[in-house]
Amino acid sequence: DIVMTQSPDSLAVSLGERATINCKSSQSLLFSSNNRNYLAWYQQKPGQPPKLLIYWASTRESGVPARFSGSGSGTDFTLTISRLQAEDVAVYYCQQYYRMCSFGQGTKLEI
Amino acid sequence: EVQLVESGGGLVQPGGSRRLSCAASGFTFSSYSMNWVRQAPGKGLEWVSYISSGSNTIYYADSVKGRFTVSRDNAQNSLFLHMNSLRDEDTAVYYCARDIAELTAFDIWGQGTMVTVSS
Repeated sequence: DIVMTQSPDSLAVSLGERATINCKSSQSLLFSSNNRNYLAWYQQKPGQPPKLLIYWASTRESGVPARFSGSGSGTDFTLTISRLQAEDVAVYYCQQYYRMCSFGQGTKLEI
Repeated sequence: EVQLVESGGGLVQPGGSRRLSCAASGFTFSSYSMNWVRQAPGKGLEWVSYISSGSNTIYYADSVKGRFTVSRDNAQNSLFLHMNSLRDEDTAVYYCARDIAELTAFDIWGQGTMVTVSS
């Protein structure tokens, strides 16, 4: 099984500042035949289902603001929110879909 | 509007059974693979099961293998999760979620249905 570990577990960032969330997988998520990383990021607000933000490690889902970006390859990935807004307060999860599916434990982002 | 709506949750005794349903609308359901994901109260997301568009490929998390069965009815635009031998640790909100493409990220989620396993 592929284990996903996020850091930190919680994070407090000021409005307008940058937020960075890390995700590490227990094995590489890079598929050599297509050079794609099988990694996605989700945002979940209280009482709501998760919302897809990023897939293939760096492809932004349609409608997601440009302040959200994903980077990384292999086993180490990062979600960056460039200028934090109040509506970005949420829990963020990384997900691997390289082998079946598994999620990180989540990172709670606060202001 | 693309939408997924789960139903069938409720209170069930340990060892009991429950069937969850997920009704899809606004897209060609038969063209997409689907998943069940659950979230225990105050906890993170746990993937439960995957079914391909034509039901040819099915996967389960180890935690539910042998107890849960996923199925779909493409003619009725519906996804199902049959849950048997329920345990306290199965208590969770159960979401159905659509794959962008087979075995990839989940772009559409339902609002979830709560299953509580308790005596």
